[in-house]
Amino acid sequence: EDQVTQSPEALRLQEGESSSLNCSYTVSGLRGLFWYRQDPGKGPEFLFTLYSAGEEKEKERLKATLTKKESFLHITAPKPEDSATYLCAVQFNNNDMRFGAGTRLTVKP
Amino acid sequence: IAGITQAPTSQILAAGRRMTLRCTQDMRHNAMYWYRQDLGLGLRLIHYSNTAGTTGKGEVPDGYSVSRANTDDFPLTLASAVPSQTSVYFCASKREALPNYGYTFGSGTRLTVV
Repeated sequence: EDQVTQSPEALRLQEGESSSLNCSYTVSGLRGLFWYRQDPGKGPEFLFTLYSAGEEKEKERLKATLTKKESFLHITAPKPEDSATYLCAVQFNNNDMRFGAGTRLTVKP
Repeated sequence: IAGITQAPTSQILAAGRRMTLRCTQDMRHNAMYWYRQDLGLGLRLIHYSNTAGTTGKGEVPDGYSVSRANTDDFPLTLASAVPSQTSVYFCASKREALPNYGYTFGSGTRLTVV
């Protein structure tokens, strides 16, 4: 069965303490892996799309990487405003994007 | 401001009642989607529409129906609400039903069925 699993469920960091979030998937025919950020009470906001193993994308303090079975979202020197839930999603056909349950990140000043 | 508007923002609904959640976008996106978000389960696809006039079933379609009469609007109807439909509902869109694009999401409708 196609599955997307994110870990950890929650992560608490001190400001400036770098870390990584994991998204592993068991999907045949991957057509794209997406990262979204979701703030409380709001809809998810698109961050990155990755298509093939070895690909990397960067945006400010965030860098997403992709292997054949997982993706990492690296957060370098995070700030309190990076606190949010980060969602990973895998698209394996045109009509189905399967989401993970998310990692809730809290960055303390 | 271009984007997706969902209404209502929140609603408490008696079980057995009919309810339509509204979704309107002004980006001229062809593809639109309805997801529900439940704690610990992530976002699950209810129904989708690749273009105006067409719709399809997602992962959890039972108890829900949709229509796509034009490009901009994609309402979701609960014919007879049940407590298990208590959730946060998100409407999303993208330019085309292709993997090249990420979704734009609305701000959600929080629905409680009692």
